[in-house]
Amino acid sequence: QVQVMESGGGLVKPGESLRLSCAASGFIFSDYYITWIRQAPGKGLEWVSYLSGSGSYTKYADSVKGRFSISRDNARNLVFLQMNSLRADDTALYYCARAPIGTIDYWGQGTLVTVSS
Amino acid sequence: DVVMTQSPLSLPVTLGQPASISCRSSQSLVHSDGETYLSWFQQRPGQSPRRLIYKVSNRDSGVPDRFSGSGSGTDFTLKISRVEAEDVGVYYCMQGTHTWTFGQGTKVEIK
Repeated sequence: QVQVMESGGGLVKPGESLRLSCAASGFIFSDYYITWIRQAPGKGLEWVSYLSGSGSYTKYADSVKGRFSISRDNARNLVFLQMNSLRADDTALYYCARAPIGTIDYWGQGTLVTVSS
Repeated sequence: DVVMTQSPLSLPVTLGQPASISCRSSQSLVHSDGETYLSWFQQRPGQSPRRLIYKVSNRDSGVPDRFSGSGSGTDFTLKISRVEAEDVGVYYCMQGTHTWTFGQGTKVEIK
């Protein structure tokens, strides 16, 4: 069965960096885009980034462009979200999900990132 | 960016009664490939979102047939024919035609 699982969240100070990981299984990993979505406490869903199956095409929300970087290792079925220059408004539960064309089908349970001094 | 506007934002419903959520986009969601990438997600309290509907009206496997999606262009609707207690949660529309965006969410609760 399709599974995605995030890890790497934690408490960091403003300006610091963090790298999230997403491990996937149950499907041909390189065939699918993978996306990151975040949800601030008590708020709605915000798309953050996605990348293509080959890793050659990436896109970012304006709110994270220039600070976040997405990448993947298809040999290990892993996706990474490198988050630099973190700010308080980046505090959220970060979900990794599988992304067929134009949609999202399987979501992980999320990993919590807290940015606070 | 395409703005997705849901209404209402709060929807108290009586068990067994129908419910309807509207989602409007600031631009047409018809992609150059001819498809319309509009999805609906349900997020129950304390859980990850779950997709219910994709490409406007295609129901996911395991989703009860009381859920249906419709619409075209910039105007879309999610309908629940008879609300059950397990339907409580927040519902989001999302467009995947342009740079992806979500609606604000509609909270469905039982009266």
